[in-house]
Amino acid sequence: EAGVAQSPRYKIIEKRQSVAFWCNPISGHATLYWYQQILGQGPKLLIQFQNNGVVDDSQLPKDRFSAERLKGVDSTLKIQPAKLEDSAVYLCASSLAGGVTYEQYFGPGTRLTVT
Amino acid sequence: DQQVKQNSPSLSVQEGRISILNCDYTNSMFDYFLWYKKYPAEGPTFLISISSIKDKNEDGRFTVFLNKSAKHLSLHIVPSQPGDSAVYFCAASAHSGGGADGLTFGKGTHLIIQP
Repeated sequence: EAGVAQSPRYKIIEKRQSVAFWCNPISGHATLYWYQQILGQGPKLLIQFQNNGVVDDSQLPKDRFSAERLKGVDSTLKIQPAKLEDSAVYLCASSLAGGVTYEQYFGPGTRLTVT
Repeated sequence: DQQVKQNSPSLSVQEGRISILNCDYTNSMFDYFLWYKKYPAEGPTFLISISSIKDKNEDGRFTVFLNKSAKHLSLHIVPSQPGDSAVYFCAASAHSGGGADGLTFGKGTHLIIQP
């Protein structure tokens, strides 16, 4: 079974530029999550999708971050304009919807460096 | 306010001995707890989980214990092996609206297995 795919793996941009990350979840997983992991911290949830609808985006900085999941499969996360403090690893995860358990399966992440 | 706390940033254990990683939480709404293992440049990998209706779950060398009254859980690895050297994250989740919320993570504990 193929895992969660993310691209690119690494990205370096200057502050005020824009950037986009892509995620393809595990086939059949209806729930998709984006997390931000700053160095030395645990992952922090940014947004949760159920199919193509947003379930929770309470921690997403909506003035600069946006995310979409068209057709309920792939998802993109965008930052515009980027700030220095956005330097982090952006992790995508997926899980079965409506399951009794809560296991989420993570992709390898995209390491973003803002200079 | 950190809802999931891992107070030991690092832990060194001799190969073959028991490794015990600890985690505390503050949110009484959490009803499911998970441990993830993370190697450098990879996404977190699910290890083991426990529902709040149980106090112990075992899977091979890994056992998770939950003490609800103390809001404390621990991960035991017996015997510890060199491949267990990694960062371990404790995570918690709650049910809302019939589905699983995103995970709340601790900051992680870096486990080092000494030969």
